[in-house]
Amino acid sequence: AQSVTQPDIHITVSEGASLELRCNYSYGATPYLFWYVQSPGQGLQLLLKYFSGDTLVQGIKGFEAEFKRSQSSFNLRKPSVHWSDAAEYFCAVGESGGYNKLIFGAGTRLAVHP
Amino acid sequence: DAGVIQSPRHEVTEMGQEVTLRCKPISGHDYLFWYRQTMMRGLELLIYFNNNVPIDDSGMPEDRFSAKMPNASFSTLKIQPSEPRDSAVYFCASSPPSGRALYFGPGTRLTVL
Repeated sequence: AQSVTQPDIHITVSEGASLELRCNYSYGATPYLFWYVQSPGQGLQLLLKYFSGDTLVQGIKGFEAEFKRSQSSFNLRKPSVHWSDAAEYFCAVGESGGYNKLIFGAGTRLAVHP
Repeated sequence: DAGVIQSPRHEVTEMGQEVTLRCKPISGHDYLFWYRQTMMRGLELLIYFNNNVPIDDSGMPEDRFSAKMPNASFSTLKIQPSEPRDSAVYFCASSPPSGRALYFGPGTRLTVL
């Protein structure tokens, strides 16, 4: 069965530091991949998505992610974190190669120290 | 655009009572999804509709759960009777005809005592 693994439950970084959130997926073919962010008490907001083509994807709020087929990974990065980035981040994969039915990882909660 | 609208935002009820959650998708979107979020199980897809027709309800946990979409601008998720283990945040999301992105509502936090 398809799955998404986010190995880090909690991450704490200092404001201005770089950030990388890890995501690994299991799927035989090239999947549709997504990163969402959830602020406290809010719904999920799409940060970026990968469907095909360039493996480095740019998203909103200065985030980017890189698809690495050989590692089955889709890690999220940001060069300089802002205090407002503190939130929970979810990686998701489209089930069976689709993009409507998403399987979400357990999430990574990001804390930002001043 | 107002985004996906959900009501109520918070619901507290007693075990055995009927609960109805409501969702208004973004105008023009033809897919609608109901997700449930809990600490133990994370985000789970319960059911989704395309053009008001249920496509996949395999995630609906039990017969106590039912969902309807009578028209393109309204959907309900009903739990009858409710149980404490139904306590969770329920999200509605919609997607446009081109697909490729889900837009989530703010969620309804349900507490069953």
